[in-house]
Amino acid sequence: GAVVSQHPSRVICKSGTSVKIECRSLDFQATTMFWYRQFPKQSLMLMATSNEGSKATYEQGVEKDKFLINHASLTLSTLTVTSAHPEDSSFYICSASHDPSSETQYFGPGTRLLVL
Amino acid sequence: AQSVTQLGSHVSVSEGALVLLRCNYSSSVPPYLFWYVQYPNQGLQLLLKYTSAATLVKGINGFEAEFKKSETSFHLTKPSAHMSDAAEYFCAVSGRDSSYKLIFGSGTRLLVRP
Repeated sequence: GAVVSQHPSRVICKSGTSVKIECRSLDFQATTMFWYRQFPKQSLMLMATSNEGSKATYEQGVEKDKFLINHASLTLSTLTVTSAHPEDSSFYICSASHDPSSETQYFGPGTRLLVL
Repeated sequence: AQSVTQLGSHVSVSEGALVLLRCNYSSSVPPYLFWYVQYPNQGLQLLLKYTSAATLVKGINGFEAEFKKSETSFHLTKPSAHMSDAAEYFCAVSGRDSSYKLIFGSGTRLLVRP
C-alpha cells in the first residue's frame, strides 16, 4: 500500500516551454502532497506543500509564478514548470501523506527534467 | 529552526561488515526522525522512523536506529552489509506541528565492497 506514481519519469524540453509533472497517489487519498527538488549529488529541498482544494504554500525562495502547483483532487497534484530554462533542469520528486495527522510521507519515483 | 547533519558524505564498508551512518539533529522540541534510502534515479523509500515510542527503532532490510536525546543523534546501523545496500541514505527531521515538513540531511552514499 501507499504507492505514489509520477509521470513522466523523464522529460526533455526546449528552453521557454512549459512542462507539467503529475503526482498520483494510487491506493490512498492524499490530503497533503509535497514537491521537492534535488540537484545532482545533493539533498532534497522542499519547494512547496499543497493541500487538496487550496493554494499551495511555497518555501522561501521558490517562485510561485514559475512553479505552478495544482492539487485538484485527493489523488492528483501537478507541478508545472513555466517557461523552463536550463537552470530548471533537476530531479523533481513528490510525496504524499494520507492523513493530516500523519507524519509519514510516501515518495514518488521522481521526474528527471532536462531543459535544453 | 530544525536541522539535520549527516557526518560523512561517503561511507565504504566490506560486504558482511557493520554499517554505521551518522545523523545528528537540532530541534528545540523532540522531533520526528526518519531514515530514507534512495537508489539511483529513484524516489525515496522509508527505512524507519522515530515518533516518540521506543528509542530503538527497527526498520526494513535489517536496519535499525537509536534515538539518543542526550546526544541529539539518530544513527542508522545494520549488523551485516549486503551488496544490495549500496545506495544514498538520507536522515530527515520534521516537527510535530501539523505541517510535518521534512528537512533532509545532505545524504550519505554507502558503498559496499565485495
